[in-house]
Amino acid sequence: DAKTTQPTSMDCAEGRAANLPCNHSTISGNEYVYWYRQIHSQGPQYIIHGLKNNETNEMASLIITEDRKSSTLILPHATLRDTAVYYCIVRARGSGYSTLTFGKGTMLLVSP
Amino acid sequence: GAVVSQHPSRVICKSGTSVKIECRSLDFQATTMFWYRQFPKQSLMLMATSNEGSKATYEQGVEKDKFLINHASLTLSTLTVTSAHPEDSSFYICSARTSGATEAFFGQGTRLTVV
Repeated sequence: DAKTTQPTSMDCAEGRAANLPCNHSTISGNEYVYWYRQIHSQGPQYIIHGLKNNETNEMASLIITEDRKSSTLILPHATLRDTAVYYCIVRARGSGYSTLTFGKGTMLLVSP
Repeated sequence: GAVVSQHPSRVICKSGTSVKIECRSLDFQATTMFWYRQFPKQSLMLMATSNEGSKATYEQGVEKDKFLINHASLTLSTLTVTSAHPEDSSFYICSARTSGATEAFFGQGTRLTVV
């Protein structure tokens, strides 16, 4: 799977949008971009994934650049409970299952 | 999403003893389960993959005789840390998927402290 690069940490004020970037310049055509987050002392939680189109669900929006070499996860109105480590993972999503390889992620701290 | 439950959430054991961690899929049949380990301030590292009824496949560097994995049913996998030492203290996380699914779901993790 392609490697991803994320900032080590980011801060965000409560109620503001949190924009978390991810670089994946070596992504290949059959690889999707996945985002998970891990709140302290809990298991990872799936957030969203996409291939090339922008995606939105009840948790977040995912913006993927046209060349697919980078993406941004957007939490539109961050709350204190969104404080977590956010992982951007690139993996193939064809038939079968490929295990998730977690990098270091971005520690997002949402402050009052 | 599907629910995966781990038990216990926290455990403290004495050095030299064994500890069993359970991972259950509550509302689906988990044909494959994954065990991860996470040391403080580090990311999750895959330890092993197990398919129901088969022997687990361990990642390089993970001792299969120390970390015993049993996946005898479609809803339960167990990880036993044998002869635990303080360096085995870590956060252990399981995830589970059903046959044909492209996604797996994570348990809430088990904090193991060996004293």
